[in-house]
Amino acid sequence: ETGVTQTPRHLVMGMTNKKSLKCEQHLGHNAMYWYKQSAKKPLELMFVYSLEERVENNSVPSRFSPECPNSSHLFLHLHTLQPEDSALYLCASSQAWASGSYEQYFGPGTRLTVT
Amino acid sequence: GQNIDQPTEMTATEGAIVQINCTYQTSGFNGLFWYQQHAGEAPTFLSYNVLDGLEEKGRFSSFLSRSKGYSYLLLKELQMKDSASYLCASMDSNYQLIWGAGTKLIIKP
Repeated sequence: ETGVTQTPRHLVMGMTNKKSLKCEQHLGHNAMYWYKQSAKKPLELMFVYSLEERVENNSVPSRFSPECPNSSHLFLHLHTLQPEDSALYLCASSQAWASGSYEQYFGPGTRLTVT
Repeated sequence: GQNIDQPTEMTATEGAIVQINCTYQTSGFNGLFWYQQHAGEAPTFLSYNVLDGLEEKGRFSSFLSRSKGYSYLLLKELQMKDSASYLCASMDSNYQLIWGAGTKLIIKP
């Protein structure tokens, strides 16, 4: 495996379900990100982990819960979602900011539909 | 506030040149990024500018003017595979990317 992988690629869940999205990076990076992408809207940063510590939570509802057990893995736990949460969820990784190398590498995304 | 503006959609002809503009206003500035995103796929990194001027990389070039809060992406010798959305993003003082909504580029034969 190379780059950034995400599973599952597609997910349909009811409003009362609990599910998790998984992201894994094979680039040796030490910062990881969750983004939400809705049609015709800018990418919305949800969570940032740098060196396995959460450094940003952009006022995301508590029904989204991130977990970063190590620098290669990132999870997004979902529960009691709303239909407006239907979107493409993208994971990205980069070197930590002090490195001077800032480009982020994205996974293919999970297309989430909440019914 | 923080804001990134870029055109919603542009159309160009195969073999031609197209320039996609981006204006930005962010709290602090640590560079300007361009990404390409094909429909249903992940964004892929194209360029990073932090100093004024033009950076050339094959058929793609990116320009930055920090004093004007302005950047553009120039695509030469357009190919059908260049049909995609092009995302402009400014890195703020916290090293977070502030994204534009993307410019959908349509290439016609």
